[in-house]
Amino acid sequence: EDKVVQSPLSLVVHEGDTVTLNCSYEVTNFRSLLWYKQEKKAPTFLFMLTSSGIEKKSGRLSSILDKKELFSILNITATQTGDSAIYLCAGSSAAGNKLTFGGGTRVLVKP
Amino acid sequence: EPEVTQTPSHQVTQMGQEVILRCVPISNHLYFYWYRQILGQKVEFLVSFYNNEISEKSEIFDDQFSVERPDGSNFTLKIRSTKLEDSAMYFCASREQGARYGYTFGSGTRLTVV
Repeated sequence: EDKVVQSPLSLVVHEGDTVTLNCSYEVTNFRSLLWYKQEKKAPTFLFMLTSSGIEKKSGRLSSILDKKELFSILNITATQTGDSAIYLCAGSSAAGNKLTFGGGTRVLVKP
Repeated sequence: EPEVTQTPSHQVTQMGQEVILRCVPISNHLYFYWYRQILGQKVEFLVSFYNNEISEKSEIFDDQFSVERPDGSNFTLKIRSTKLEDSAMYFCASREQGARYGYTFGSGTRLTVV
């Protein structure tokens, strides 16, 4: 059975801090690893990682995939209160392309 | 930016009743999905749909569930006889052809079975 595990479950930081979120996966016929931000309802897409060792960046967010060790990290630098959300990691499989989600990391950024 | 649209945003139904959740995927997307998230739990895959047929379904997606793309734009999830444990947020998602494209999620329908 496919499995995605995220850590930590939650964290509280202050504005300006850097956070690192972890995601490990075991997905049959693995294709890619996706990160989403969930604030109130719909997960909003952040990154899709397919190749190992290549960092993707978008503003203060960056992510990297290690396909040998089966994990990914999401970094947020200079955090702002608007970064407060649940961050979801999901692995996609080549067969059917379904996403298997982790339980999420709840991030609270205090002013 | 193109969106996946879901209606209604919230539906309350009596146990045993049929419900239809509606989704309008992004127009040039070819793959469609339903996921659900029970309060406080993980987002769970239900079903994927491509080329007018189900390509994969989970154990959750039993005979009580069905999907349809009735008119080339809408994508619906029907639950024939709702149970209390069907109460959840249901998300529709779609994506383009090709491995390098991410999935776009709709804002969800919160289904409450009473």
